[in-house]
Amino acid sequence: GAGVSQSPSNKVTEKGKDVELRCDPISGHTALYWYRQRLGQGLEFLIYFQGNSAPDKSGLPSDRFSAERTGESVSTLTIQRTQQEDSAVYLCASSHGQRNTGELFFGEGSRLTVL
Amino acid sequence: DQQVKQNSPSLSVQEGRISILNCDYTNSMFDYFLWYKKYPAEGPTFLISISSIKDKNEDGRFTVFLNKSAKHLSLHIVPSQPGDSAVYFCAAALTGANNLFFGTGTRLTVIP
Repeated sequence: GAGVSQSPSNKVTEKGKDVELRCDPISGHTALYWYRQRLGQGLEFLIYFQGNSAPDKSGLPSDRFSAERTGESVSTLTIQRTQQEDSAVYLCASSHGQRNTGELFFGEGSRLTVL
Repeated sequence: DQQVKQNSPSLSVQEGRISILNCDYTNSMFDYFLWYKKYPAEGPTFLISISSIKDKNEDGRFTVFLNKSAKHLSLHIVPSQPGDSAVYFCAAALTGANNLFFGTGTRLTVIP
């Protein structure tokens, strides 16, 4: 499809396990973002990729979180040793260009539940 | 620290009437504001935006108003339609910053 694609749509895991979430941005979009939304909260910025520049990791909540992106394509968000507070919907978004003009195109999200 | 706040978690409006969704922010350096709309099981979609150099932007039934002195913006939907029922997120941006700051959302229900 033409939109941002995320997988899995739902993931249930046990505390302490590692999880990997995948995002396919819109073709041609150079910027890619990861956000998360915990229950009753707003969207929380995690990480930003722009082309081949060093990513902005300022939003990652701990060193258990990491993300990679190869060029201007797929990105993976990895959470190691998951904790219950990691339960959230993880949203990926992509956009044109190098400036944050604000209009992001979001995927449907990956709902993570840590038991 | 929540820099963008939506103090009303929910709002119900009769079809055909005006819906007014409110948003407050704390950082006077924000220079661009947006509203996103989210349906269940879908990602947020961009609705309308406004630059800090303006105080109003209109797009069809949707109008966003910005009051910089009060650090307040609002989204007006006129007339409201049942298909407008969704969660609306307010967001703010800083030129040169990479992320958007989102509010917690307001769930709008338009009653037929």
